[in-house]
Amino acid sequence: SQQGEEDPQALSIQEGENATMNCSYKTSINNLQWYRQNSGRGLVHLILIRSNEREKHSGRLRVTLDTSKKSSSLLITASRAADTASYFCATDDAGNMLTFGGGTRLMVKP
Amino acid sequence: DAGVTQSPTHLIKTRGQQVTLRCSPISGHKSVSWYQQVLGQGPQFIFQYYEKEERGRGNFPDRFSARQFPNYSSELNVNALLLGDSALYLCASSLEDGSYQPQHFGDGTRLSIL
Repeated sequence: SQQGEEDPQALSIQEGENATMNCSYKTSINNLQWYRQNSGRGLVHLILIRSNEREKHSGRLRVTLDTSKKSSSLLITASRAADTASYFCATDDAGNMLTFGGGTRLMVKP
Repeated sequence: DAGVTQSPTHLIKTRGQQVTLRCSPISGHKSVSWYQQVLGQGPQFIFQYYEKEERGRGNFPDRFSARQFPNYSSELNVNALLLGDSALYLCASSLEDGSYQPQHFGDGTRLSIL
């Protein structure tokens, strides 16, 4: 079963725009991670945010975590065509056995 | 450095058969996890191994089994294959077990059951 739900399920934007994806989860967590998956490939780790952190940045990525609402968001600024992929949030509540959401399919049009 | 490698990349089997999937972690990584990703869904956790011991098992039937070898490579075995086992099987490695360890994924084995 999936722990979290991503919203929206699909997102289409123009190059240069910002993309925001949301993730909700159900149980308490140690940390939350975001991964990217290009079509037919494995997942690539983007960023990890601990349960005691509220915001984290990595390049054009900004992740927020609200443990009181059991939600997280991923913001990609100044998007590029190469950002086209599926994005998944994954929660780790014990020992790095990740529980993934259903993903957001992002399309960035040139 | 080589990333996580999985073999084979594609596999076609028929119902009732057995399959073995293989994974080589990144050099120095001691923890290996297996995930099943059905088309259009997020990955689901199957197993985690660390130092050759099973550290966790997801909600999968006993037809699924795995092991880790002294060189930290791993195999996933699935017996009595069902149509519903058709999926992308992903292997991930991390330096250690425990939380706060980013996982590094291979490109998976795509298993099709006819």
